[in-house]
Amino acid sequence: KQEVTQIPAALSVPEGENLVLNCSFTDSAIYNLQWFRQDPGKGLTSLLLIQSSQREQTSGRLNASLDKSSGRSTLYIAASQPGDSATYLCAASSGGSYIPTFGRGTSLIVHP
Amino acid sequence: DVKVTQSSRYLVKRTGEKVFLECVQDMDHENMFWYRQDPGLGLRLIYFSYDVKMKEKGDIPEGYSVSREKKERFSLILESASTNQTSMYLCASITATGGSPEAFFGQGTRLTVV
Repeated sequence: KQEVTQIPAALSVPEGENLVLNCSFTDSAIYNLQWFRQDPGKGLTSLLLIQSSQREQTSGRLNASLDKSSGRSTLYIAASQPGDSATYLCAASSGGSYIPTFGRGTSLIVHP
Repeated sequence: DVKVTQSSRYLVKRTGEKVFLECVQDMDHENMFWYRQDPGLGLRLIYFSYDVKMKEKGDIPEGYSVSREKKERFSLILESASTNQTSMYLCASITATGGSPEAFFGQGTRLTVV
């Protein structure tokens, strides 16, 4: 059964710092790895999706990498801003019904 | 843009009531999922469906059932609501174009059972 772990569970940084959020998964037979953002009391918004054949994806200040052999993905946030404050979740999709398995998330606070 | 719509943002129900949570997607996706999210526990899969009238149990199906009569609509049913079902409920719809699934989520329903 797929298990996904995210480290750290919480992070508080001053504005302007570059950040790395980590995601690890136990079963490397994944279709892809998807990163989401969740604001308090809201649903999940997709940020980046890395297919199993890819090494990284970029969107603006966000860069996600994938190393299937080691079961790891990282989300890099450049020049963090207070508006980046949210919970970030990763999900690995596997199995016949494409079931996404989620980590518990990293709660990020960026203070001015 | 893909849209996944959950019928309510906030819901307050009494213990013992039968509760229906509705989810509708507009992109003809086969696969739909219901999760609940609790502090410290993350997202846990309740049920999913890969086709009309098909359903599969997830990790925590006890106390829940589902219905999928039409492809675009996936309903979660709490047969007799209990206080331990107070939670955030999230519906997801998944497309697998080209064999790479991508999940889209609704805005969530915060259910309180009193």
